Amino acid sequence: GAGVSQSPSNKVTEKGKDVELRCDPISGHTALYWYRQSLGQGLEFLIYFQGNSAPDKSGLPSDRFSAERTGGSVSTLTIQRTQQEDSAVYLCASSFTSRDRGTSGETQYFGPGTRLLVL
Amino acid sequence: DQQVKQNSPSLSVQEGRISILNCDYTNSMFDYFLWYKKYPAEGPTFLISISSIKDKNEDGRFTVFLNKSAKHLSLHIVPSQPGDSAVYFCAASAKQISSNTGKLIFGQGTTLQVKP
Repeated sequence: GAGVSQSPSNKVTEKGKDVELRCDPISGHTALYWYRQSLGQGLEFLIYFQGNSAPDKSGLPSDRFSAERTGGSVSTLTIQRTQQEDSAVYLCASSFTSRDRGTSGETQYFGPGTRLLVL
Repeated sequence: DQQVKQNSPSLSVQEGRISILNCDYTNSMFDYFLWYKKYPAEGPTFLISISSIKDKNEDGRFTVFLNKSAKHLSLHIVPSQPGDSAVYFCAASAKQISSNTGKLIFGQGTTLQVKP
């Protein structure tokens, strides 16, 4: 079956422009996560969706960042008025989540990422 | 505040030998731990996971050990192969009773090089 897909794979933009990054999760996965990896850094959580709602937006670095998910599937991460420090690889992951996690977790499967460069 | 730490940025081993990658964590609420492998220009690939109710999980050449009292986990690769050369990330999640997000907290990664 198809894995998580992301588009575009690479994006170069000028400082101050808006960008939209897209994620198509694995079919049937109800949970969707956005992370980013800046140069030389580990992966940093941005936002979590369960269905179309986002109960955890705690990782969004500023109000220039927003995300939405429609139809319980595709998600779009939007960065407004991009800054050079926004340059990073933006990764999307999805997992199947049962309401009662118990003591086991759900494995998150990652897409290939979008490499964003803000000039 | 680094909740998940991989103190060795790099590791080099000979083909056929054992690779041991280490990870330490500080949050006692973490209940699920995962290891991912990442090649350049690709997304992380899931390798193996372990729940906090276990102390060992094995899958082929990969074994993860969890020592809760020491807040330490390790990934053993035996035997190591040149194709294992990649960056390895450990990650942890905590069951948040109220929000139940399952977000992963990642270490900084360890670059493994397996020499032929």
